[in-house]
Amino acid sequence: ETGVTQSPTHLIKTRGQQVTLRCSSQSGHNTVSWYQQALGQGPQFIFQYYREEENGRGNFPPRFSGLQFPNYSSELNVNALELDDSALYLCASSSIDTSSYEQYFGPGTRLTVT
Amino acid sequence: DAKTTQPPSMDCAEGRAANLPCNHSTISGNEYVYWYRQIHSQGPQYIIHGLKNNETNEMASLIITEDRKSSTLILPHATLRDTAVYYCIVGGSNDYKLSFGAGTTVTVRA
Repeated sequence: ETGVTQSPTHLIKTRGQQVTLRCSSQSGHNTVSWYQQALGQGPQFIFQYYREEENGRGNFPPRFSGLQFPNYSSELNVNALELDDSALYLCASSSIDTSSYEQYFGPGTRLTVT
Repeated sequence: DAKTTQPPSMDCAEGRAANLPCNHSTISGNEYVYWYRQIHSQGPQYIIHGLKNNETNEMASLIITEDRKSSTLILPHATLRDTAVYYCIVGGSNDYKLSFGAGTTVTVRA
């Protein structure tokens, strides 16, 4: 069973740039959620995708967008980067059809905006 | 807008039981209590969940009070590898939005 993987591991961008982060879900999972974790804080929910559509969104502006592909992998896109976007970005996969209570998290992508 | 309250930190001796408290006084009837932990530089890891009854798995035990307003996660024999931030989360069975608070930083000492 392959776990959740994310790429890249680390990334440095300049304010105003755009970034794309990638996530491969655990085998058999059809739902992916993205979280932002600032230093010293708990993860904050950004949005969730199910069947390639956004299935719920947290308190994040529209410049945070995502995609889910037929193979259930996912991308998080952030436009017009701001310094406060510097954080660990986590994706988590689960299977909504089986009502699994467990979300499986990847190791995260550490984004630094300068 | 986390619905839970946890102590910010606690220490535990290696080999002893670690009892992590969590208050969730506004929990509604169909909401579960979930516990996750996050070891430094890793993604959060699911530990256990419960609705009303006490639960046990290979990692931990979850004790939920009869009024469901509080719970305790028990790590029966803490090891150094259990040093992590532990998050208590309340949510519905199909609520895939996990609302993490600040959690409890648990340090297991040799």
